[in-house]
Amino acid sequence: DTAVSQTPKYLVTQMGNDKSIKCEQNLGHDTMYWYKQDSKKFLKIMFSYNNKELIINETVPNRFSPKSPDKAHLNLHINSLELGDSAVYFCASTPTGTGQETQYFGPGTRLLVL
Amino acid sequence: AQSVTQLDSQVPVFEEAPVELRCNYSSSVSVYLFWYVQYPNQGLQLLLKYLSGSTLVKGINGFEAEFNKSQTSFHLRKPSVHISDTAEYFCAVSGQWGAQKLVFGQGTRLTINP
Repeated sequence: DTAVSQTPKYLVTQMGNDKSIKCEQNLGHDTMYWYKQDSKKFLKIMFSYNNKELIINETVPNRFSPKSPDKAHLNLHINSLELGDSAVYFCASTPTGTGQETQYFGPGTRLLVL
Repeated sequence: AQSVTQLDSQVPVFEEAPVELRCNYSSSVSVYLFWYVQYPNQGLQLLLKYLSGSTLVKGINGFEAEFNKSQTSFHLRKPSVHISDTAEYFCAVSGQWGAQKLVFGQGTRLTINP
């Protein structure tokens, strides 16, 4: 009955590879997010989707491509992985995406690029 | 645009002592304010939020925060901490209009010593 789930939990890969992280929420929310938490624990938003439509796209390299097949899923595909991509990636969701709502976070995916 | 500054990167406290974690924000528009907690190897969880009304906000686990508009602060307090409060605490802001985009502070590591 996990509200926001992510797979995989850990991901270790070589530089130059392509990898995907999946996120699913069973809360019935319309809006989903991807955040990156770096080694210093700093959290920054990357993308936000509302009902499968991209609404926030921060200054993220175009090697990162989010995809939302339906409003319960938001996946993150990363091409040509670089050392600097090593981080914890969090998925989150909110009911409609307006400013006052609580964000519900997944457990994170720890990506290590060697 | 908004920004958040958490003035202390680490706060060590003895068990049952009071604690205050400081947060200041900057914004050209009205904001909503949040405190999230991250326990080791987990996602973030909402502690409390200020939307409007009373400037003293009570949250989960005995935490409270006070919004001070003139000082642009939203400090988090707990009168008596427990070992289980050991975690990373993040202050965040979101503009009141448009899609929610949480801007986080750098985080404060709260360590409770017995």
